[in-house]
Amino acid sequence: GENVEQHPSTLSVQEGDSAVIKCTYSDSASNYFPWYKQELGKGPQLIIDIRSNVGEKKDQRIAVTLNKTAKHFSLHITETQPEDSAVYFCAAVGADAGNMLTFGGGTRLMVKP
Amino acid sequence: NAGVTQTPKFQVLKTGQSMTLQCAQDMNHNSMYWYRQDPGMGLRLIYYSASEGTTDKGEVPNGYNVSRLNKREFSLRLESAAPSQTSVYFCATTIEDATNEKLFFGSGTQLSVL
Repeated sequence: GENVEQHPSTLSVQEGDSAVIKCTYSDSASNYFPWYKQELGKGPQLIIDIRSNVGEKKDQRIAVTLNKTAKHFSLHITETQPEDSAVYFCAAVGADAGNMLTFGGGTRLMVKP
Repeated sequence: NAGVTQTPKFQVLKTGQSMTLQCAQDMNHNSMYWYRQDPGMGLRLIYYSASEGTTDKGEVPNGYNVSRLNKREFSLRLESAAPSQTSVYFCATTIEDATNEKLFFGSGTQLSVL
């Protein structure tokens, strides 16, 4: 089945700096790649997603890039703010997993004021 | 508009006890899901219901049962709880029928099995 690996597991940045979280996936047929943000005590919330026919997608300070050849995708957060502190999860949907989402292990992002 | 509501928020069980986690949604979505979240392992799908009246196993279904009571409600039952089932459980729905894209999650149930 699909295997999604996420790095790093923890990331600490200074407010205003950029943060990058990377994920790799194993199923070359995967075609949908969402990112979820989980704040303390809450459920994950979808923040951005990308499909396999697109190489990059932006939404204000966040962007996702996809390299299908290398089977990896990344989340980029620019001008980080303390409210960006959370756990971020990547995921992939592929036929190998019955078109169900497979999640990465998560990255705890800490933005220091 | 509450979205996805889970009860209870916290629960402590002894090994062998049973309990049911409740989930209700008011978004009129067809598909509902149960996930468990463990440190470093992301979220893993336990069971899902693509529509009222249907349920299917996910990645980690052993030790659990589910009931799709109606379109709004999807419950998860632990018949004989084990310490390995200590986890945070999330219910989710999706606007996309029969897929789990664009999930909306509840706030979770933290379960400890002693």
